[in-house]
Amino acid sequence: DTAVSQTPKYLVTQMGNDKSIKCEQNLGHDTMYWYKQDSKKFLKIMFSYNNKELIINETVPNRFSPKSPDKAHLNLHINSLELGDSAVYFCASSLGQGNTGELFFGEGSRLTVL
Amino acid sequence: AQKITQTQPGMFVQEKEAVTLDCTYDTSDPSYGLFWYKQPSSGEMIFLIYQGSYDQQNATEGRYSLNFQKARKSANLVISASQLGDSAMYFCAMRGVNTGFQKLVFGTGTRLLVSP
Repeated sequence: DTAVSQTPKYLVTQMGNDKSIKCEQNLGHDTMYWYKQDSKKFLKIMFSYNNKELIINETVPNRFSPKSPDKAHLNLHINSLELGDSAVYFCASSLGQGNTGELFFGEGSRLTVL
Repeated sequence: AQKITQTQPGMFVQEKEAVTLDCTYDTSDPSYGLFWYKQPSSGEMIFLIYQGSYDQQNATEGRYSLNFQKARKSANLVISASQLGDSAMYFCAMRGVNTGFQKLVFGTGTRLLVSP
């Protein structure tokens, strides 16, 4: 059983298109995240949600819109894709706010914008 | 603001030897946690070890140990008896009480290559 699963694993699309990445965790965690890993392998937080509530929005462009229908799911929708959006996007989850435990990461979704 | 610095872009070690990957951090958080993650070429992020800022003893997990020096704000990862499968990117990360432990901040990573 995969703890944090993301789909799709690969997306290749044209500039200007809209795409979504889905994430689900079966760990019973309260907090979920989206991270972006760029071509230099740098990992940066984009969003965090706690019990479906947005906690952190790390100055991400409005074209990125996360949605958490319930605490086990956090989806990422990206409008009007740009070349600079090409990256690996990781979903992660952890125990609730204030907990110091580790983040569990999904396998990543590699987005390529042509 | 929190900052993690990993000054070694790449490290080489021979199989069965020990290697230390450096990590220094900067934070104003009174309470924080330090983490190390491994990212092999397959891309997944694997949690290795955790150290709390108030933990008196250095954390150990199998062949991994964390050399925590709070006054120097360093949290180096020591891998003993390196194996070929240890070849990967290694990331140091931290999160602190000032952001409700919600924000895990990563360093730029160190690529470790283990040779036979």
